[in-house]
Amino acid sequence: NAGVMQNPRHLVRRRGQEARLRCSPMKGHSHVYWYRQLPEEGLKFMVYLQKENIIDESGMPKERFSAEFPKEGPSILRIQQVVRGDSAAYFCASSPDLVQRGNQPQHFGDGTRLSIL
Amino acid sequence: GDSVTQMEGPVTLSEEAFLTINCTYTATGYPSLFWYVQYPGEGLQLLLKATKADDKGSNKGFEATYRKETTSFHLEKGSVQVSDSAVYFCALAKPNFGNEKLTFGTGTRLTIIP
Repeated sequence: NAGVMQNPRHLVRRRGQEARLRCSPMKGHSHVYWYRQLPEEGLKFMVYLQKENIIDESGMPKERFSAEFPKEGPSILRIQQVVRGDSAAYFCASSPDLVQRGNQPQHFGDGTRLSIL
Repeated sequence: GDSVTQMEGPVTLSEEAFLTINCTYTATGYPSLFWYVQYPGEGLQLLLKATKADDKGSNKGFEATYRKETTSFHLEKGSVQVSDSAVYFCALAKPNFGNEKLTFGTGTRLTIIP
């Protein structure tokens, strides 16, 4: 049973370009969280999505950032017109429906390291 | 808002030493508390959790007790190994209709020397 898959693992963009980060949740999971980890810091919540719906985007910057989780396919975190300050590791975590969560509410992917030149 | 404060790192110990990493939290209500571990280049792995006051989470020789009176969840291990070298994150979550977003501390880098 594959875990949470994120790609690419490393992404390099120049200032002003767009970055697209993909997250395929574990099989059977319909909930996705995105977190950002700045260098030498902890993870900060960005957005929580269920299939086709954004449930909580309280941690998402108001401009340039967007997220989606379509009915088919991976969740996408999109950053438009990237700036140097967007350089970070972006982690995705997935979870099943509430009644199935058991002892581990979220399973994390290995992250995408985004570098802005 | 909710927050987690962790012991500043880095922490360097000799193999077989006793480990304590302090964690305190600020939150309304009754959060669940977690310790996650991150190895270089990887995502976070759940180490242990506790969901209510006085619960003790334990895994792989690590333990932490949910202390509501001191709002703490300190991580301990009696005898560390080189393979325990990693970054450790304390976190909390307050489930809200299925939304279990995590609030993390800044992490503590642990290095164990043989």
